[in-house]
Amino acid sequence: EAQVTQNPRYLITVTGKKLTVTCSQNMNHEYMSWYRQDPGLGLRQIYYSMNVEVTDKGDVPEGYKVSRKEKRNFPLILESPSPNQTSLYFCASKGTAYEQYFGPGTRLTVT
Amino acid sequence: GNSVTQMEGPVTLSEEAFLTINCTYTATGYPSLFWYVQYPGEGLQLLLKATKADDKGSNKGFEATYRKETTSFHLEKGSVQVSDSAVYFCALRTKGGGGADGLTFGKGTHLIIQP
Repeated sequence: EAQVTQNPRYLITVTGKKLTVTCSQNMNHEYMSWYRQDPGLGLRQIYYSMNVEVTDKGDVPEGYKVSRKEKRNFPLILESPSPNQTSLYFCASKGTAYEQYFGPGTRLTVT
Repeated sequence: GNSVTQMEGPVTLSEEAFLTINCTYTATGYPSLFWYVQYPGEGLQLLLKATKADDKGSNKGFEATYRKETTSFHLEKGSVQVSDSAVYFCALRTKGGGGADGLTFGKGTHLIIQP
């Protein structure tokens, strides 16, 4: 089954404690992206990757890092999380067609 | 820059009512337009798309027509069901937008269908 998986689905952490949210896709897509979803703001792009070793900033990259060492994985790294990063995070991937496939989401709470 | 404006809701309708969710956009170039749906506790799923002016996207009884003259892409359904209750996002993508290939989303419209 074609899918995008994210882990963990839920995470509660404290300010400053480094965390990584993993994202993996099994569709051999070159393009992957991270979004955050906040009430009243919709989804905003954090980072994207056009291919392995190629990443670039989206609209709200501050406080986040990403890496793309292999095609299927695109982890999101928060080196020093802060409460304003409490949000619902979605990973997405896209092949040559128009459709972006989204993961199930990771709900992060930073206290 | 690109932007998408849609009615935020919540929109509450009775089953079998007619649905319209308005969406207008601002974009450089000629965008592709999308409607995504998010059911409770799930990620976003592509509902329908249109890639050029006057195209009509349709799926699961939902329709939207790409209107370049009014920069709109309104979502419609003739008879909604309780199972259509979800959050609906209008989105656009412009080709070669700095290589980003990302989507610009509206804020989402929460639709509630009552039996």
